[in-house]
Amino acid sequence: KAGVTQTPRYLIKTRGQQVTLSCSPISGHRSVSWYQQTPGQGLQFLFEYFSETQRNKGNFPGRFSGRQFSNSRSEMNVSTLELGDSALYLCASSWLDRQETQYFGPGTRLLVL
Amino acid sequence: GESVGLHLPTLSVQEGDNSIINCAYSNSASDYFIWYKQESGKGPQFIIDIRSNMDKRQGQRVTVLLNKTVKHLSLQIAATQPGDSAVYFCAENNRNYGGSQGNLIFGKGTKLSVKP
Repeated sequence: KAGVTQTPRYLIKTRGQQVTLSCSPISGHRSVSWYQQTPGQGLQFLFEYFSETQRNKGNFPGRFSGRQFSNSRSEMNVSTLELGDSALYLCASSWLDRQETQYFGPGTRLLVL
Repeated sequence: GESVGLHLPTLSVQEGDNSIINCAYSNSASDYFIWYKQESGKGPQFIIDIRSNMDKRQGQRVTVLLNKTVKHLSLQIAATQPGDSAVYFCAENNRNYGGSQGNLIFGKGTKLSVKP
């Protein structure tokens, strides 16, 4: 079974731009969570989607948003990029009835210049 | 302001020795805990999990111990190999965050270096 895939793997943007990252969960998984990983803050929860609905949200500004499609694929969007948004963005998926066991993708490395 | 990188605790062990990585969790209401391994350039990889109704769980070469009294979690790796070199994170499930799952809260990580 294929793992969680994320595209693109690397991205360079400039301040003020916006970016969309994509995540395809493991087949059969319906929950998708997003995390931001930085050297300064470690791994921080952004939001979680289940059946196209945002179920939980972390403590991030409204510039960070996401959505989930009917096939469970998810996208996250960051608008008006800031230098501090440079990070590794990780997507994790889990099954309906084993939600806590989250399986991570390789991440998208975003660099904001 | 200048951002400061996390000062990751580092554990250096000799190949073949046993490794013990410790983690203190924050929420006494957390009832599910996971250990992840993250190699350079990769996403976190699931290693082993444990629920709060257990004190110990064993996997292949790995054992997780849970001490709820002091909110402490440990990961033991037997016969550590060079391929075990990575950053190890513990994570707790915060059900108080709402919903049936909540979200995972990660520790800062421990860097394990294995000397051949």
